[in-house]
Formats: sequence, structure tokens, C-alpha cells
Amino acid sequence: GAVVSQHPSWVICKSGTSVKIECRSLDFQATTMFWYRQFPKQSLMLMATSNEGSKATYEQGVEKDKFLINHASLTLSTLTVTSAHPEDSSFYICSAPIAGGQKTQYFGPGTRLLVL
Amino acid sequence: AQSVTQPDIHITVSEGASLELRCNYSYGATPYLFWYVQSPGQGLQLLLKYFSGDTLVQGIKGFEAEFKRSQSSFNLRKPSVHWSDAAEYFCAVGLSGNTGKLIFGQGTTLQVKP
Repeated sequence: GAVVSQHPSWVICKSGTSVKIECRSLDFQATTMFWYRQFPKQSLMLMATSNEGSKATYEQGVEKDKFLINHASLTLSTLTVTSAHPEDSSFYICSAPIAGGQKTQYFGPGTRLLVL
Repeated sequence: AQSVTQPDIHITVSEGASLELRCNYSYGATPYLFWYVQSPGQGLQLLLKYFSGDTLVQGIKGFEAEFKRSQSSFNLRKPSVHWSDAAEYFCAVGLSGNTGKLIFGQGTTLQVKP
């Protein structure tokens, strides 16, 4: 099946610093990728849609200046949490659909972010 | 507004017993429906999906789900649960228009007793 990777798998940073998370589709191309956020014991909330070669589309209530998304190639999307604060601590998961159809998403393993 | 409800937050079953996890959705059009499983600290793995056609769909690991339009439900079932099935299960609705966006239910934690 399709494989999506994320790097790093976990990161600890100081408050005020920025953190970059990478999402890669390993064996297929993805013109669109999705970023989700998951708090402990809660469901996944869609943050934004990452579009290759154009601006990301953010869901209502998500600060686009806080969560910078860049989709530089057909296999890579990055999420940068800028000026991170403890409330940004969460589990961030990306997904990508198989090229040619958006119906089925394949998810990355997630990145655990802890902001001290 | 579109929504997905998983009424059971936590379910405990004995190993070897049957399992049914409930999922109800609210969506105006015919939805694309998914069940995902998440092990602790891991990403999501697709168990099965329904797009159209036969309303009983088979998935991996012996799971199946039945789409019932009249009840707006897509319940997940497994005849005999294994200890390795203990995990978090998420039902999700994919919106039409081929956007790829998913709306997730709150999740059901499955605990398996030996």
C-alpha cells in the first residue's frame, strides 16, 4: 500500500522557537496533502489543505501565520509551527491521497510536538 | 453541517467475542465512508471504505462494515476479536466534490480482555 512518512516522529522545543515537520509520500505523488491535529484522547481535526505549487487552504479558526505550510514538490509538504507555545503541543498527522483520486487518504505516523 | 458520531467512547470485549462499533453520520449527499484504526502514538491505518455498490464491505484484519442509508450508519464489525485489535477506532466521512477532506468521529477506544 501507499506509504506516507513524517519527520521528526517527536520533537521537544522551547517556547518561542519554530519547528518544522515534514510529510513525504514515499511511493506516489500527491498534489494535495492534509494536515491534522490531534489532542490526547481526542479526534483528528483538519487544520489545512496543502496544495503543490500554490497556497495552502486553512480551516476556519486555524492561524495561517502560526502554522506555515509549504508544498514544495509532489512528494513533500512541510508544516512549520512558528513561535511555538505550550498550547501548540499536540500530535500532528499528515495525510495524502493517491494520485488520480482524492477519496482515500493515507496517513503518516504522526509527529508528537512538546513545547516547554 | 456534516458530522460523524461514534456513540461509544470506550468498549471492552473479551478476546474471541464479537465486536460492533457504531458510527452515525450527518451529510446531505451520499458520503464516502471510512474506518481507520490507530494504535497508541501511531498514525492511522485504513481498515475499510465504502464509496458505492455493495453496502457490506470487507476490510483488513477480518473487519467488515455495513452502510445503512436509512439509518445513516456505517457500523464496524468483527466476528472474533483478538487481543491485538485493542486500539482507537475512527469513523470518517469524506465529503463529495473530491476535495479529499475527511470529517472524523470522536473515536472509540477498544479494550480487549484476555
